[in-house]
Amino acid sequence: TQLLEQSPQFLSIQEGENLTVYCNSSSVFSSLQWYRQEPGEGPVLLVTVVTGGEVKKLKRLTFQFGDARKDSSLHITAAQPGDTGLYLCAGLLGGATNKLIFGTGTLLAVQP
Amino acid sequence: NAGVTQTPKFQVLKTGQSMTLQCAQDMNHEYMSWYRQDPGMGLRLIHYSVGAGITDQGEVPNGYNVSRSTTEDFPLRLLSAAPSQTSVYFCASSRGGSLYNEQFFGPGTRLTVL
Repeated sequence: TQLLEQSPQFLSIQEGENLTVYCNSSSVFSSLQWYRQEPGEGPVLLVTVVTGGEVKKLKRLTFQFGDARKDSSLHITAAQPGDTGLYLCAGLLGGATNKLIFGTGTLLAVQP
Repeated sequence: NAGVTQTPKFQVLKTGQSMTLQCAQDMNHEYMSWYRQDPGMGLRLIHYSVGAGITDQGEVPNGYNVSRSTTEDFPLRLLSAAPSQTSVYFCASSRGGSLYNEQFFGPGTRLTVL
């Protein structure tokens, strides 16, 4: 059972467009991370959000953690071809497990 | 620092064969994990370790064994490979003990089981 569902699964847009990727769960997470993965490489961390309602900005990328700490969104403004890649959210389960569970992934292609 | 290294990069096995995927990190991280990545499934946790001598199961542990005899190494063993284990395998390490822990990933091993 996948705890974290991402939508959309695929997204192909033109350079300059805006987009939002969603990460949803019925579970509460201690923190939530977003990673980006390029072909043939491992994922690389973009950001970590910890507090419900928290918003973090990384240049043209805006990340938000849901108030109930069950969901998150990634918004990209004026997408560039360099933003192309697989975006993965990952939730940290608290308590004794302390496991990081990854979402299903969103594959983004930005056409020049 | 080499970070997280994985060998081999590619491997083809026949059904029933066994093999070990190697993972090593030189960052003195306590936490290490193995994930498999399949299309449309993101990354799924196979096994993880919070320190030398301590391992636990993740979401999809069946068919895989791990051990952690040193802080640096965390090998993943397939005792009898099956076609369902065709996937890309990633090893990751992190410092642990914090909500902000960053996972550092290796380059992956692409495994095909015929």
